[in-house]
Formats: sequence, structure tokens, C-alpha cells
Amino acid sequence: KAGVTQTPRYLIKTRGQQVTLSCSPISGHRSVSWYQQTPGQGLQFLFEYFSETQRNKGNFPGRFSGRQFSNSRSEMNVSTLELGDSALYLCASSLLSGSPNSPLHFGNGTRLTVT
Amino acid sequence: KQEVTQIPAALSVPEGENLVLNCSFTDSAIYNLQWFRQDPGKGLTSLLLIQSSQREQTSGRLNASLDKSSGRSTLYIAASQPGDSATYLCAAKAAGNKLTFGGGTRVLVKP
Repeated sequence: KAGVTQTPRYLIKTRGQQVTLSCSPISGHRSVSWYQQTPGQGLQFLFEYFSETQRNKGNFPGRFSGRQFSNSRSEMNVSTLELGDSALYLCASSLLSGSPNSPLHFGNGTRLTVT
Repeated sequence: KQEVTQIPAALSVPEGENLVLNCSFTDSAIYNLQWFRQDPGKGLTSLLLIQSSQREQTSGRLNASLDKSSGRSTLYIAASQPGDSATYLCAAKAAGNKLTFGGGTRVLVKP
């Protein structure tokens, strides 16, 4: 069974540009969550989608948005990029949302560098 | 607001020694607690998940305990090997699939 797939693996963008990251969950998983990892702030929750609906949202500005498609694949978009958006963006999938026995499985992430 | 802390931030042990990694959380209203391993430049690999109603989980050389009343979880790795060198993260799960992560413990197992 294939794991969580994130594309691209690396991205270099310029301040002010926008970027779209993609995540394909494990087959059968309906929940997709996004996390940002930086050396200073660690891992922080961005948002979760389940059955094409946003379930939870973290404390990030509106420049960060996402969506989920009917096949559970998800995209994350960051507009008007800032230097501080440079980070490893991790996607996680889970069979269910809100279940105590439903672990999250993470992809290898997209490394975004903003110059 | 849930806060998760992992102390120490880094740990170095000789091969063969048992590892004890600590995780504390402030809000005991959790669905579960999950331990992950992260290798440099990689994503997170799930190691163990302990539901809020459980006290411990075991997988091979790994054992994780959970004490909700004191807000603590401990990951034990028996007979450490150089291949165990990585950063270990714990995360408390609240509503939905929102995980609150600790800062991680970077482990180095010396041959």
C-alpha cells in the first residue's frame, strides 16, 4: 500500500509569489491534515480536511488556504509569500477524523524556500 | 490551550543502553498520544499510538506509557542501536485530527 505522497519535494519561490503544494493520502483515507515545521516554532497545525470539508484550522493567516477533492487528494496554497514561510510542509492522512484509534501517517514533506 | 514539552532536547547514549524519552502535556482531555520518529530531512514515521483509555503500548523494543492524571508519557527503547539515532516527537491529539507536538528529543546512539 502506497504511503502519503507529497509533491513537489522541493520548491524555491520569491517573496510575493504564491505556491501550491499537493498531497495524495493513503488509499482509503478520508482525512488530510497539513503541518508546518520550522526550526523556531517546531511543528504547527495548519488545517484538516475530511470529506472535502475543512474540519479544523490552526492559527495561521488567511494567506494559507487549502482544499480537498472528491478523491481525498488535497492541495495547500500560500499566497503573497513571505521569508518566514520558508519551512517543511508536512501532510498527514488518517482513515477517520476524531477517532482515538486512528493514527496519522505523514508524507516526506515539501521543503519550501522563499528568497 | 494544549502545550506539549519534551525534555531533554538532546540525548547521547552508548550503544546497548536503554533510552527513556519524556513527554508532558498540560491538558489531559486528549483522544490519544502518538510517538513519531523523524530522520533528517524526512517526514514523520509513526511509532506507537496510545489511546486515552490505555496505559501502555508495546512494539518490539519500543514501549510507551501514558499517565493522563499527571500529564505524562514515556517512550522506552530497549537495547539502543546506532540506527535508533533520530529525533523523537510526541504529539497529543485533540478534537478532529489536530495534533499538538512537543519540540522533540534528538537522540544519538554512539557505536
